Order: sequence, then C-alpha cells, then structure tokens
Amino acid sequence: DIVMTQSPDSLAVSLGERATINCESSQSVLYSSNNKNYLAWYQQKPGQPPKLLIYWASTRESGVPDRFSGSGSGTDFTLVISSLQAEDVALYYCQQYYSIPVTFGGGTKVEIK
Amino acid sequence: EVQLVESGGDLVKPGGALRLSCTASGLTVTNAWMNWVRQAPGKGLEWVGHIRTKIDGGTTDYAAPVKGRFTISRDDSKNTLWLQMNSLKSEDTAVYYCTALLPPQGPRWGQGTLVTVSS
Repeated sequence: DIVMTQSPDSLAVSLGERATINCESSQSVLYSSNNKNYLAWYQQKPGQPPKLLIYWASTRESGVPDRFSGSGSGTDFTLVISSLQAEDVALYYCQQYYSIPVTFGGGTKVEIK
Repeated sequence: EVQLVESGGDLVKPGGALRLSCTASGLTVTNAWMNWVRQAPGKGLEWVGHIRTKIDGGTTDYAAPVKGRFTISRDDSKNTLWLQMNSLKSEDTAVYYCTALLPPQGPRWGQGTLVTVSS
C-alpha cells in the first residue's frame, strides 16, 4: 500500500497570510503513460463531506478560489493557501488514487492565529 | 455534472446486516473506478473497497478489516453501486462515502450515509 504522510499535523496562520501543507507518498504516484500525478487535495469542515480542491496534483476544481494551489510531482506534493481566509479553517487531506487501495494522509488542521 | 447519492445508512445491532446504495448521475458506474470510503466519528478517511470497471473485469478488492464481511456490487441497469455489509461490528460505525473516478475529471464524492452499529 502507498503510505501518505502529511505535515504538519496542524498549523495556525494569521488571516491573509500563507499556509503550506505538505504530503509525501511512499512511492511515486506519477503515471508515466499520461504524465499525471494521481494526487488530490480535500478540505473538510465539521459535519460535511470532503470537498475536492485539487486533482492531478495541480488542477483546481471548478469553483475553488484561486488562493488554493497544488504543486509537486512523484512523491512530494504541496497545497498552498496563499492568503488565508476565515472560511478556510478546516481539515485538509491528501489522497493518492494511483493504486488500490486508495490511501489518504492523516490530515492537517488549519486554524487562525 | 456528476452526482453520487448514497442511502441506506441506519442504526443496526452488532452482528446485523445493512445494504448501502450509491446512485450515480452524470457518469456510468460501469465505466468509472468506484470506491467506498468511510470515516469513523472524529477519525480520518479509510478506504473500504473498490470495484473495477467492466472493461477491467469488474473484480473487487477490500480493506483487511472488512474482507469477508462486505461485498461491493453494481446494478448497471440502475446505474447504482451497492455495499452489502454483514456481521457488522461497532468499529464499522462511520459515515460511508461512495467515490468515483472517471478521468480526465478528478475524484467525485457523495454526501455520505451514516451507519451506526450499537446495541
């Protein structure tokens, strides 16, 4: 199984400041035949299902604010919230869908400092 | 637009059974990579199982904690995915999500359905 390791477990950022979340996979999730990284980022608020933010490591889902961006390739990935807003307080998860079982990072809790 | 709607969650006693459904629109479950994922109260996301596309044989895989107790199937005529859960345990208590992947789109998730296993 591919192990997804997220860091940090939690972070507190001032409003308007940048938040950076990292995700490392235990093996590459880059599919060579199409050059796509099978990596997604989700935001989850209490009582709600995960909301897709980013897929293919860097493609923003329709309707997601452009302050959210994803980058990385192979085994190392990053989610950046460029200017934290109050509504961004949530848990964030990375997920690999390169192979079965799909696996998730442990989550990063983002709070306001 | 892809929509996945789960239903069937309920309160059930340990040892009992339950069948969840996931009805899809905007995609054909036969052609998508369909998974069930669950989230226990206050916990992270856990993969439950998967059914391959028809082209890939339609076979299934399961997470170790549910193998031998849970069964994933599809009803192509109803464009619906099923999760049959038998011999339920308290640790199966969770919100169960149906997810689908049909490239080039990203993963799609339903709203989830709550399963509570308690006496």
